[in-house]
Amino acid sequence: QSALTQPPSVSGSPGQSVTISCTGTSSDVGSYNRVSWYQQPPGTAPKLMIYEVSSRPSGVPDRFSGSKSGNTASLTISGLQAEDEADYYCSSYTSSSTLVFGGGTQLTVL
Amino acid sequence: QVQLQESGPGLVKPSDTLSLTCAVSGHSISSNNWWGWIRQPPGKGLEWIGYIYYSGSTYYNPSLKSRVTMSVDTSKNQFSLRLSSVTAVDTAVYYCARTHCSITSCYIDYWGQGTLVTVSS
Repeated sequence: QSALTQPPSVSGSPGQSVTISCTGTSSDVGSYNRVSWYQQPPGTAPKLMIYEVSSRPSGVPDRFSGSKSGNTASLTISGLQAEDEADYYCSSYTSSSTLVFGGGTQLTVL
Repeated sequence: QVQLQESGPGLVKPSDTLSLTCAVSGHSISSNNWWGWIRQPPGKGLEWIGYIYYSGSTYYNPSLKSRVTMSVDTSKNQFSLRLSSVTAVDTAVYYCARTHCSITSCYIDYWGQGTLVTVSS
């Protein structure tokens, strides 16, 4: 299985919105709504931010939202804050009953 | 509160077998969840290794399948990873995690803190 494709980096100023894309295939993202997103600040374990494409776990701000179209899922962070600076990873269930991660995107808050 | 804690050697010699255990507290490992391993080489991204159900069913990353074995010990509420014939490219932080899968979802909701395993002679 190949890793899902994410942009290496994105950036935005406080208050702005940024969107991170995650492109897979018809064997993973395109066939299932089992797409999730994780936030990983430096030196820490990842944290679940979005599951089932667009659902937020309790405690995750509603500034974080997810969507999907075809083989591409997206994470949008609105009202960007300094604390949002971190690496972000998407993940999808696959037709082989495995999971696959994206390569990760480094978010910089300018 | 579900907690996961990895344990095992921090240094493994090339060609040896890497062995890690994950102790689960605050939740029964015999629940409707998958228990898995993810690794992250220094400065790089996450790589899914595989997961195991309490019944012993497993799914592995195809790229690692020939070298990976996972097991579960319900009496100790823990699960384990063995990765054989390691080389320097297997140097990484290894995370254990709980994966919740259903008809509509499959996501990792709890992670261990991670443990660095270095492969070196």
